[in-house]
Amino acid sequence: DARVTQTPRHKVTEMGQEVTMRCQPILGHNTVFWYRQTMMQGLELLAYFRNRAPLDDSGMPKDRFSAEMPDATLATLKIQPSEPRDSAVYFCASGTGTGVYEQYFGPGTRLTVT
Amino acid sequence: AQSVAQPEDQVNVAEGNPLTVKCTYSVSGNPYLFWYVQYPNRGLQFLLKYITGDNLVKGSYGFEAEFNKSQTSFHLKKPSALVSDSALYFCAVKGSNDYKLSFGAGTTVTVRA
Repeated sequence: DARVTQTPRHKVTEMGQEVTMRCQPILGHNTVFWYRQTMMQGLELLAYFRNRAPLDDSGMPKDRFSAEMPDATLATLKIQPSEPRDSAVYFCASGTGTGVYEQYFGPGTRLTVT
Repeated sequence: AQSVAQPEDQVNVAEGNPLTVKCTYSVSGNPYLFWYVQYPNRGLQFLLKYITGDNLVKGSYGFEAEFNKSQTSFHLKKPSALVSDSALYFCAVKGSNDYKLSFGAGTTVTVRA
């Protein structure tokens, strides 16, 4: 049963610290999405990768957030420096990127910045 | 621009009764519509999708959804709800040439025994 995996599942950090979240997409999927979920804003798209290239990161605060795909099996989302308003659940999703495809979500990283 | 509206924040039903979760959408061109379910402390799970063809789409766990083009709706239904169906449900839409999914705000379903 192929699944998207995310690490860590939970992260508590102090304001100003760097946070790195990792995602392993389903093998063979060539699109990766990063979402942020909060009670106030719901699900927000932060970044979108296709074949490891970033095609859309307009949803990310550019000054502190960065997203990369070092290889096809790893996507990373970094926040530096972190702020309390970054507290949220961050989801990674992957898909096949051809035709009409559903996105498969990972379990999420729950980030708390104090 | 594309968007989704889920007019009900919460839906409460008794076990064994029919369950309906409403969704309306706005998109340019032909819509591709999806339903996802989120259980506590879990990621979103894909339930079903509409691309084209039969307006009634069947999905996982006994759920189905009916596409209505004239009403721009894609309501999720289950004939007989289970307590285990209690969760947060998201409707999503994208246009045929889009990669972005636009999600609704979600509807919390509570099924009481």
